Amino acid sequence: EPEVTQTPSHQVTQMGQEVILRCVPISNHLYFYWYRQILGQKVEFLVSFYNNEISEKSEIFDDQFSVERPDGSNFTLKIRSTKLEDSAMYFCASIREEETQYFGPGTRLLVL
Amino acid sequence: DAKTTQPNSMESNEEEPVHLPCNHSTISGTDYIHWYRQLPSQGPEYVIHGLTSNVNNRMASLAIAEDRKSSTLILHRATLRDAAVYYCILNSGYSTLTFGKGTMLLVSP
Repeated sequence: EPEVTQTPSHQVTQMGQEVILRCVPISNHLYFYWYRQILGQKVEFLVSFYNNEISEKSEIFDDQFSVERPDGSNFTLKIRSTKLEDSAMYFCASIREEETQYFGPGTRLLVL
Repeated sequence: DAKTTQPNSMESNEEEPVHLPCNHSTISGTDYIHWYRQLPSQGPEYVIHGLTSNVNNRMASLAIAEDRKSSTLILHRATLRDAAVYYCILNSGYSTLTFGKGTMLLVSP
């Protein structure tokens, strides 16, 4: 069964550094999402992406965040200058049509 | 997104049925009722969804009230691997998922 994959599974970085989280959505899916989950808290929406542009973003998704689909398979989330509060699990999800979202296993980001 | 209300936690014994309730009194006509679950240290996983009629799949059943203001996720025989947080989410089409706190299901052997 096709699945969403994410790399790396874990990343440790220093505050102020840039990080890029990578996702490979399911191949025939059209809509892509990033969510995050701070330890012990709810899963929160960050951004959705369709047709090579952002379709919706939350208040969390400020200027330090960006997303890109650099080729036909990858979908990336970049955090330009990480803060301690960016430590969280980051989940990528994708959807083909009006159905369910398929989530990846997540990247655990730790900012020191 | 319309809001849903779920109990914080529920307990079950292994191999017994589990009924997880969800209230969504402000549901709109285009909202689907989705259930996702999140096992420890994993990403959310789709369980089942429906609009008006009851639904069955290999994982669970979804019973939807006639007025659509509530629904119940039914796990017919709980296993230890079903221990997770279960989220009831209203969603229409491609819109983003708004997760609440969900119901933490504890399954005892």
